[in-house]
Order: sequence, then structure tokens, then C-alpha cells
Amino acid sequence: DAGVIQSPRHEVTEMGQEVTLRCKPISGHDYLFWYRQTMMRGLELLIYFNNNVPIDDSGMPEDRFSAKMPNASFSTLKIQPSEPRDSAVYFCASSPLDYTRYNEQFFGPGTRLTVL
Amino acid sequence: DQQVKQNSPSLSVQEGRISILNCDYTNSMFDYFLWYKKYPAEGPTFLISISSIKDKNEDGRFTVFLNKSAKHLSLHIVPSQPGDSAVYFCSGSSNTGKLIFGQGTTLQVKP
Repeated sequence: DAGVIQSPRHEVTEMGQEVTLRCKPISGHDYLFWYRQTMMRGLELLIYFNNNVPIDDSGMPEDRFSAKMPNASFSTLKIQPSEPRDSAVYFCASSPLDYTRYNEQFFGPGTRLTVL
Repeated sequence: DQQVKQNSPSLSVQEGRISILNCDYTNSMFDYFLWYKKYPAEGPTFLISISSIKDKNEDGRFTVFLNKSAKHLSLHIVPSQPGDSAVYFCSGSSNTGKLIFGQGTTLQVKP
């Protein structure tokens, strides 16, 4: 299995532009998570999906952020308009639905976003 | 509301010595705790976990201890190796399926 795939790996944009981050989870996994990593707050959960349905978006910082999961193999995180304070590394992770395990999540390599 | 806290941003130890990384939590509903390790330019990878009904779990050089009454856990690495240099994240898991992570601790193991 190729693992969780994220694109692009790096994104540099100017303030006010729309940014779209993409994620392909591991096949067969039921959960998909979007995180943001910053020095101050570590790994912050932004939103997660179960079977393509958004379950908890309480971590989405504001209305400029939106996420979709149109099918089991694809998700997007969109920022519109982007601001310099959105600069961070964004991770996507997926996990299987297995109540006997401990919710281990498998992370993608991340997208480093820089907003100028 | 920081449910998981790692109060030491960084730690430096000598190769061969013990590394101890600490984590505190506030959410009594966590039933599992997981440690993840992250190298630069890579995503975090799972390292070791512990159930809330245990107080210790060991996997090779890595041992996690849980003190429920103090809401504290720690990760011990013995002996530490230069390849262990990374950022370590502590996380708590409940039956919601999501993990709550701390801020991370950067470990540097000096040769």
C-alpha cells in the first residue's frame, strides 16, 4: 500500500489567494483527519470524517477553511482567502474502523503552506 | 483548552543514556494514549501505545508509563540512540475515534 498521499508537498501563495490541499487516504480506512502543525499548538485537529461524512469540524479555525470528502478515496481542504497566519504544515491521516484497536492513525507526508 | 500538554519543548541527552519525555492530560475520558514520532519533512508515525487500564507498556527500548491519578504519562527510551532524534507527540484517544495531540517535544540525542 502506498500509504496516505498528499499533494502538493509545498505550496507558496500570496495573501488573498485560494489554496486547495488534497489527500488520498489508505484504501479501506473509514476515518480521515485533517491536522495543522504549528510550533505554538503542535498538532491541531481541524476536522475529521467517518465514511465520507464530516463528524467534527470544531477545530476549523474560521469560515475561510472548508473541507470536503466526495468519496472514500479523496478529500480536500480549502482556504479562501488565505492569510499569512495560515502558514503551517497540514497533515492528512486515515485510520480503520476497529473498535478493538486504539485508533492508530496513519499520516501522510504533509503539505507545507507558506502564505506571503 | 489544551487537553494534552507536553511542557518541555525540547530535550537533549547523550547517546546511551535514558531519555524521558513527559505528558500531562486533563480529559478523563481518554481510554488509550499513543506516542508518535516525527522526523523532519515526514508525517508522524506511530511508536507505542498504552491502555488506560494499564500502567506500563514496553516495546524494545521504548517504555510508556501511565499514572492515572496524576493524569500523567511518560515515554522512556533506553538506551537513547542518535536515530531517536525527532519530535515526539503524545496523544489521547477516546471512543470518538479521534486523537488529541500535545505540542510535541523535540529530542536530540548527541553522539
